[in-house]
Amino acid sequence: DTGVSQDPRHKITKRGQNVTFRCDPISEHNRLYWYRQTLGQGPEFLTYFQNEAQLEKSRLLSDRFSAERPKGSFSTLEIQRTEQGDSAMYLCASSALGRTGVYNEQFFGPGTRLTVL
Amino acid sequence: AQSVTQLDSQVPVFEEAPVELRCNYSSSVSVYLFWYVQYPNQGLQLLLKYLSGSTLVKGINGFEAEFNKSQTSFHLRKPSVHISDTAEYFCAVSRKDSNYQLIWGAGTKLIIKP
Repeated sequence: DTGVSQDPRHKITKRGQNVTFRCDPISEHNRLYWYRQTLGQGPEFLTYFQNEAQLEKSRLLSDRFSAERPKGSFSTLEIQRTEQGDSAMYLCASSALGRTGVYNEQFFGPGTRLTVL
Repeated sequence: AQSVTQLDSQVPVFEEAPVELRCNYSSSVSVYLFWYVQYPNQGLQLLLKYLSGSTLVKGINGFEAEFNKSQTSFHLRKPSVHISDTAEYFCAVSRKDSNYQLIWGAGTKLIIKP
């Protein structure tokens, strides 16, 4: 399967612990996005990368959140000192960069469901 | 800033009946428009998109949507639903600029009654 993969699919942690999620995009997709989806809501944009550069971060992304894409391939999202409000589905998507002004579809992974107790 | 409103959180409909899922958006700049579907325990899948051109767009699984600029709407329709269409449907917009981040509605659960 050559789609977007995310690991783990589920994570249960205690408040105050650190967690890290991984996203493997479709090979050769140079754009990678992170979204968060809470119950009963649509996804919310968190951040995105073009190759290894993190180009935009949402105000939703507090100092406890950090994302990396060290070699322009896979990405990690770390949450430090987790809080119960961090419980959500974390979604990753990737797309290819086309010519300026040309849209390219974002392909989504299955998500990582985080539960903070 | 952009925002997306999906007017119905749930839509129950009998199998083989037509359905319309409503989506309205607000934006001060031109946007692209999308409908995604999320089946239980699966990731988001693109149903259809409007980028430019004809305002009636056809997608997968027999769905279509019509872009209405004056009403800032992008309603999703299917003439005859099947039990396999049970899922949550999300409307989203993206600015026509370089980052293409998606702004999402809250979703509509389509419930098919046998």
